[in-house]
Amino acid sequence: RKEVEQDPGPFNVPEGATVAFNCTYSNSASQSFFWYRQDCRKEPKLLMSVYSSGNEDGRFTAQLNRASQYISLLIRDSKLSDSATYLCVVNPPGGGSYIPTFGRGTSLIVHP
Amino acid sequence: EAGVTQFPSHSVIEKGQTVTLRCDPISGHDNLYWYRRVMGKEIKFLLHFVKESKQDESGMPNNRFLAERTGGTYSTLKVQPAELEDSGVYFCASSHGLSQYFGPGTRLTVT
Repeated sequence: RKEVEQDPGPFNVPEGATVAFNCTYSNSASQSFFWYRQDCRKEPKLLMSVYSSGNEDGRFTAQLNRASQYISLLIRDSKLSDSATYLCVVNPPGGGSYIPTFGRGTSLIVHP
Repeated sequence: EAGVTQFPSHSVIEKGQTVTLRCDPISGHDNLYWYRRVMGKEIKFLLHFVKESKQDESGMPNNRFLAERTGGTYSTLKVQPAELEDSGVYFCASSHGLSQYFGPGTRLTVT
């Protein structure tokens, strides 16, 4: 089993739709979780951290389910500009070194 | 505030040659990371500096890769001699805490 798994998609949705991605992780002791967004041929950019209590930033909601070892990202009212690859990043526990493990990413295409 | 910068943006070299990639982190960020993304695969961790010290280099593929961060500012990643499988995009990231900020990457092609 891969350390961090994501459905590669693509998820093809119309503008205004709500779409959700899941990401599963194998290390139950993982400490911190993030969603990054990566546009084609660009660098990953931090979208949001994922907290145990769940967190929301505008149209984006991230949640963590430790029991089932997955995190989710919900995008409401999708915009054309949301089209990108969404990377799940998990930090396992470890001394003073944070070594993030990346998922392969989920591709989202929002069409008119 | 300037972001993470990387140089060059692209490099095409022949197998057996040497290439040195450079990363300038965000000023004040003690943590500096190198990653690599091979086509079709996920981004893979290579190593982590805290200031000038290598905190973890467990992701370095082999001894053809050498990273340095003299003075705790910019970092270089040298590949010598380059092999075909070294082709990919090399990202650098820096952080103050857990949130990492990525540079635009260097696209390395070994022919």
